Amino acid sequence: VQLQQSGAELVRPGASVKISCKAFGYTFTNHHINWVKQRPGQGLDWIGYINPYNDYTSYNQKFKGKATLTVDKSSSTAYMELSSLTSEDSAVYYCARSNGNYLYFDYWGQGTTLTVSS
Amino acid sequence: DIQMTQSSSSFSVSLGDRVTITCKASEDIYNRLAWYQQKPGNAPRLLISGATSLETGVPSRFSGSGSGKDYTLSITSLQTEDVATYYCQQYWSTPHTFGGGTKLEIK
Repeated sequence: VQLQQSGAELVRPGASVKISCKAFGYTFTNHHINWVKQRPGQGLDWIGYINPYNDYTSYNQKFKGKATLTVDKSSSTAYMELSSLTSEDSAVYYCARSNGNYLYFDYWGQGTTLTVSS
Repeated sequence: DIQMTQSSSSFSVSLGDRVTITCKASEDIYNRLAWYQQKPGNAPRLLISGATSLETGVPSRFSGSGSGKDYTLSITSLQTEDVATYYCQQYWSTPHTFGGGTKLEIK
């Protein structure tokens, strides 16, 4: 099992960015994909998850309107789009797979560093 | 939302020490508790799920205990490679909240 995330991004304030997470080594539609934010020197903040089987999403209220989660089943890839970016969105973003029966995160991507700066 | 509180944000420890990290939920999470280890520059790594189940490949010096609202991660005989930040997480309900983390440092 491996989750491979897209590379670092430098984006202007007010813009949007789409980060990808490509899954390998398991049946993509059998496990939720979660997204987690980590600001520099800070803890972990759960953004939400998507169920690739039926595209059902669940968001942390604090990220509603900021993050949009989607998947492309044909390429086993999950995406997170972040909109109206500010410096507060500068962080490392991780995708993580949920265990099938329970919802803890058993595999993580390597992280994508987002820098929002003019 | 369920709040997860790790009482200590950092610990100074000596190699070979026994370390105990605590995590308290704001309500009963029915053992839906995971522990993760994160080293600088790396993604978190799952150590324990279901409050007590050690993941494959995790050294047996790590163990988890607890129930209800109160949970503990223990490390017997701390090794150099255990220096990291440890996070608890509840997955009983969404949002799947994390504790603030406990950073272990060598004295």
